Amino acid sequence: DAKTTQPNSMESNEEEPVHLPCNHSTISGTDYIHWYRQLPSQGPEYVIHGLTSNVNNRMASLAIAEDRKSSTLILHRATLRDAAVYYCILSADNYGQNFVFGPGTRLSVLP
Amino acid sequence: DSGVTQTPKHLITATGQRVTLRCSPRSGDLSVYWYQQSLDQGLQFLIQYYNGEERAKGNILERFSAQQFPDLHSELNLSSLELGDSALYFCASSVGPGGTGQGEQYFGPGTRLTVT
Repeated sequence: DAKTTQPNSMESNEEEPVHLPCNHSTISGTDYIHWYRQLPSQGPEYVIHGLTSNVNNRMASLAIAEDRKSSTLILHRATLRDAAVYYCILSADNYGQNFVFGPGTRLSVLP
Repeated sequence: DSGVTQTPKHLITATGQRVTLRCSPRSGDLSVYWYQQSLDQGLQFLIQYYNGEERAKGNILERFSAQQFPDLHSELNLSSLELGDSALYFCASSVGPGGTGQGEQYFGPGTRLTVT
């Protein structure tokens, strides 16, 4: 299974943009890149996903490198509510959806 | 609120016992996924069902089994419980069968299982 590497933790100031990196050098051509986050005491929450092109939604933007070996989740203006563990995941197979969650990046947002 | 419900919220039981965790997916979702989250192992995928059929299997122990019923709710059965089975168990649902093009899984609030 293709694996991802993320920093263990990051800090941001409130109202500033946050760039969360993810390396996935062994990604296959059919793997989508998914981002989820888990707020304290809650289940994971979908953030965004993409294949090759950059993606935007109401929560965040996903910037995917041209060689697809890395990606960056961008939160445009961090709020205190964005403090969570962020997981970068690659789809493991084409048939079902077998997500392999790594340890993720714990984002702290400072007021 | 994701629309996925799980019962019970908390469960305390003894080693060797058997428990059943229940999950109701979002209205209209056909896939149900089960995950286990423990402090030392992180979030691990266990199994996926799509419209009543097993679709994908992860690190699910033989002591664990699951099924999805005609009304699309799912149950995860854990038997011969051990101390190491203490964890948060999450259920998630999605509209389709999964596959690389489908991103959104909606997670429930989880069931916290404590084995003493």
